[in-house]
Amino acid sequence: QSALTQPPSVSGSPGQSVTISCTGTSSDIGSYNRVSWYQQTPGTAPKLIIYEVSNRPSGVPDRFSGSKSGNTASLTISGLQPEDEADYHCSSYTSSSTMFGGGTKLTVL
Amino acid sequence: QVQLVQSGAEVKKPGASVKVSCKASGFTFTDYYMHWVRQAPGQGLEWMGIINPSSGSTGYAQKFQGRVTMTRDTSTSTVYMELSSLRSEDTAVYYCARVRTRFTDMDLDYWGQGTLVTVSS
Repeated sequence: QSALTQPPSVSGSPGQSVTISCTGTSSDIGSYNRVSWYQQTPGTAPKLIIYEVSNRPSGVPDRFSGSKSGNTASLTISGLQPEDEADYHCSSYTSSSTMFGGGTKLTVL
Repeated sequence: QVQLVQSGAEVKKPGASVKVSCKASGFTFTDYYMHWVRQAPGQGLEWMGIINPSSGSTGYAQKFQGRVTMTRDTSTSTVYMELSSLRSEDTAVYYCARVRTRFTDMDLDYWGQGTLVTVSS
C-alpha cells in the first residue's frame, strides 16, 4: 500500500487561507468517510485536529476545516496565524488498516 | 487526565529486536483501541498496527507483518510493541496513541511522548 499523497510544502501570509490536499484511491479515501488530519510541531507528538473528514475535536479552532471530494481530502486553514506553522498529516482508513500521507510543511510567511 | 508514558530511547544493532512499552493512565484501559505509529527522521508518519487491549487482538500493516508483535498487560495498563530483525531503516521515533472514543478504532487523540529507536552497528 502506498502512502496518501500530500504536497511537501505550502505557505501563506497571516490572515490568508491555505488548503492542503491529500490524495488517495477508491480503496481508501474514496470509500470511507474516515479521514483524519494531524498537526505536528517540531519535537512534539501529532495532535488530532480533524476526524471523520470534517469534524473538529473540542478545543480546535473553527479556522480549521476539512472536506472530501472523490479520492481527495482537503484541510483548509482560514485566517492563518503564526502558530499554525507546523507539519500537517492526513490519514485514512482502508480495509482494516490505516494509512498516512507523507506530511505537508506549512510555512506562515 | 489521560496519559501515555513510553519507555526510554534504545540503541540496537542490526538484526536485533526492540520492545517499546506504553503505560496508560487516566482512562479505562480496556475500552480504547491503541495504535503504534512511527516517524523516521525528517519523514512522515507511518502506521504500524492496532491492538484491542480488551481482547488482545491485533492488526498489523502489511509492511511489518512477521516482524512486529503488539501485546498488552491489562494488570499494568501497558501496551507493548516489539519489532524484530532491525535494520537501519527502522531508526525512528515510535509512538503509541489512543483512539478518540470507545466507539471507534481510529482517530488518535492522545499520544505518548515517543521513543527514539536507533539502529546502528
